[in-house]
Amino acid sequence: LAKTTQPISMDSYEGQEVNITCSHNNIATNDYITWYQQFPSQGPRFIIQGYKTKVTNEVASLFIPADRKSSTLSLPRVSLSDTAVYYCLVGPREEPGTALIFGKGTTLSVSS
Amino acid sequence: NAGVMQNPRHLVRRRGQEARLRCSPMKGHSHVYWYRQLPEEGLKFMVYLQKENIIDESGMPKERFSAEFPKEGPSILRIQQVVRGDSAAYFCASSPPMVTDTQYFGPGTRLTVL
Repeated sequence: LAKTTQPISMDSYEGQEVNITCSHNNIATNDYITWYQQFPSQGPRFIIQGYKTKVTNEVASLFIPADRKSSTLSLPRVSLSDTAVYYCLVGPREEPGTALIFGKGTTLSVSS
Repeated sequence: NAGVMQNPRHLVRRRGQEARLRCSPMKGHSHVYWYRQLPEEGLKFMVYLQKENIIDESGMPKERFSAEFPKEGPSILRIQQVVRGDSAAYFCASSPPMVTDTQYFGPGTRLTVL
């Protein structure tokens, strides 16, 4: 599984757009990029997944450049409740049961 | 559709006692995973099970830890003779029996060893 690198922490204010970038230089051809969100005292929650270009859902957008060596999770107009740890994971989808490998993630702190 | 359920949410044990953590996967999910999260750390994979089978236990400590997912009932993570270093949050996740790497996590069990 490809190793990922993301900032340890980020600070933002309510209403701002937050972009968290993840580097994955050794991403493989069949790897997908997945982001999870974890609130304190809760389990991680799937946010978004993509393979290339751009993916958008009701929570976030995921931008993946053509070389796929990095990706950016974009949270539009964050609120206090978006304060959480965000994990970037890279791995294949063809193998059910693949263990997810979590790094330390990016701790996002949103202030008023 | 209820999510992944774990109980107890909090568990306190003294050194040397046994801890039993339970996980009921989402309805229709036949794959169960256990992860451990130490303070200030990311989640670490422990074991992956399907009904009545341990598929991958490469992340399980060799001693004192065991897991099962019986034909009926929840998955159990069992820690014998707990030590202070076992204090952590233990998360269970489940996924459906299809090609996907999306796992759905439970709220976790926070184990404190005194």
